[in-house]
Amino acid sequence: GAGVSQSPSNKVTEKGKDVELRCDPISGHTALYWYRQSLGQGLEFLIYFQGNSAPDKSGLPSDRFSAERTGGSVSTLTIQRTQQEDSAVYLCASSFPRSGQLFSGANVLTFGAGSRLTVL
Amino acid sequence: AQSVTQLDSHVSVSEGTPVLLRCNYSSSYSPSLFWYVQHPNKGLQLLLKYTSAATLVKGINGFEAEFKKSETSFHLTKPSAHMSDAAEYFCVVSEGTYKYIFGTGTRLKVLA
Repeated sequence: GAGVSQSPSNKVTEKGKDVELRCDPISGHTALYWYRQSLGQGLEFLIYFQGNSAPDKSGLPSDRFSAERTGGSVSTLTIQRTQQEDSAVYLCASSFPRSGQLFSGANVLTFGAGSRLTVL
Repeated sequence: AQSVTQLDSHVSVSEGTPVLLRCNYSSSYSPSLFWYVQHPNKGLQLLLKYTSAATLVKGINGFEAEFKKSETSFHLTKPSAHMSDAAEYFCVVSEGTYKYIFGTGTRLKVLA
């Protein structure tokens, strides 16, 4: 697609429910990232995908959080048994890594508009 | 280890006056540095990127930033603020891997 699409844009849920957040990256972008942005905070890294693999999932806050990516494209972030502290904006970004390992500068991340999650 | 510090959480300027948003970084390698802008209820949009070419980088909407290795700084400037510049600005450092470190953001307020 033309940009990174995230859905839903807003989600209100009750404590204890499961939620799924979806990210559709730019076509051809092999790298995909999930970040969390809490009120007044910077961006907190959650997980990084290269293709369908997640070489780094160290930012996932607990085992209630999981993510998958299929077909090297769409990714889903799942939060089980939501808690109030999970309330935040969840941002997805994608990038197209250049070939070759000589450092030519980090790639530009293109962000979606985010999914705002509110846990009551 | 890489890190980034945005020195001001809030900056207020009058419309038509210069903007200065300050960013200091720490990196063991030659870093890539970015500035992103986030308007309310929107995703982050790239303003500009530095990757060891020219130290003065020009971005969109009249913004520019200067990489100063001796000061480990990458401050964002604009000669004349516009009301539409009101937003949150993030300085980002990366050492060329998949890791990007975001500053905590500077909220720019533009007064009429």
